[in-house]
Amino acid sequence: DQQVKQNSPSLSVQEGRISILNCDYTNSMFDYFLWYKKYPAEGPTFLISISSIKDKNEDGRFTVFLNKSAKHLSLHIVPSQPGDSAVYFCAANEGGATNKLIFGTGTLLAVQP
Amino acid sequence: EPEVTQTPSHQVTQMGQEVILRCVPISNHLYFYWYRQILGQKVEFLVSFYNNEISEKSEIFDDQFSVERPDGSNFTLKIRSTKLEDSAMYFCASGRELNEQFFGPGTRLTVL
Repeated sequence: DQQVKQNSPSLSVQEGRISILNCDYTNSMFDYFLWYKKYPAEGPTFLISISSIKDKNEDGRFTVFLNKSAKHLSLHIVPSQPGDSAVYFCAANEGGATNKLIFGTGTLLAVQP
Repeated sequence: EPEVTQTPSHQVTQMGQEVILRCVPISNHLYFYWYRQILGQKVEFLVSFYNNEISEKSEIFDDQFSVERPDGSNFTLKIRSTKLEDSAMYFCASGRELNEQFFGPGTRLTVL
């Protein structure tokens, strides 16, 4: 089941630069998308979300972009900080009565000081 | 800031034994979930719970699994007869509304 795909297992970025994490999906019924950050031995921490009726949502250093025609979303972190180093998961749900999240495999972000 | 809490942080059990994983969701939340992550694999949905009943469950959530909200604050996941392949991190999540899910720190279940 590869409905949500994160094709980059890892990403390394210099402190202060932009981090761009990508996510692709195949299910056109998805209508809500979320990004979570996860540190080792902790649970996923909610970062930011976007509804399918929007193409951008911004919260501080985090911006999520949604391209529905390409079934692609991305998370931008600007500026990147060493504390951002973690695994980032993209997740999606179909909305309505179904609110289970379908997760991607995650991308390990390393922000170098 | 309110958090979802889970106990224990690590549970070791023998195959065939029953385990109960406990979660305390955030107090004004209405939707409750269990997910699991087998080592090296994706986070997978197990079950969602709303208004004192299961609203959806996955194929993984077979008759060996059950959930309960016994006292209005705790939310438990019971595995009746554990198997080796049940070894995983189990995450509880809760939300006030449908598109919101806040996760707990997880319970690592090791089945020997």
